[in-house]
Amino acid sequence: EAGVTQFPSHSVIEKGQTVTLRCDPISGHDNLYWYRRVMGKEIKFLLHFVKESKQDESGMPNNRFLAERTGGTYSTLKVQPAELEDSGVYFCASSQGTVSYEQYFGPGTRLTVT
Amino acid sequence: EDQVTQSPEALRLQEGESSSLNCSYTVSGLRGLFWYRQDPGKGPEFLFTLYSAGEEKEKERLKATLTKKESFLHITAPKPEDSATYLCGPVRYSGGGADGLTFGKGTHLIIQP
Repeated sequence: EAGVTQFPSHSVIEKGQTVTLRCDPISGHDNLYWYRRVMGKEIKFLLHFVKESKQDESGMPNNRFLAERTGGTYSTLKVQPAELEDSGVYFCASSQGTVSYEQYFGPGTRLTVT
Repeated sequence: EDQVTQSPEALRLQEGESSSLNCSYTVSGLRGLFWYRQDPGKGPEFLFTLYSAGEEKEKERLKATLTKKESFLHITAPKPEDSATYLCGPVRYSGGGADGLTFGKGTHLIIQP
């Protein structure tokens, strides 16, 4: 069974540009989560989808971040316009959500804003 | 506000030297706890779920235990390949699966040959 995949693995952009990160969850997983780790800090929760609906977006830092999950499959996280403090590693996780609650993480996308 | 504290922040052991890592938390509505292992440049790898006080789970040289206020990850006779950062994440549910996790900074474990 394929795990959670994320694309790209690494992105370097200039301040003010736009970047879109993609996450493909494990097939059949209704729950999808976005997390972020900035340098030297712990992993922080950003957003939780159940199917295509946003269950909890309390961790989103500001309105420059937009997450979508059309059709309840893959998800995208867009940062527009990017700022220097957005640099970090963005992780996606998924879980089945009824029979099993374990969250399985992807490898992450390392975002560098210069 | 939920808080998770892991100790020690870093731990260096000799191969075969057993020890324990601690995860303490203040989380309202706690329903369980996940343990993860994270290698450099990779995402957290799921290890265990613990749901109730007194529960124990084992995997190879690792054993996780849970009380009402904290969890321990015991490492018995570790090998260099056990070197990693270990993370714990207390779990809450509020409908439609578990909530987003609150993580501590983790314990960076180094096992020297």
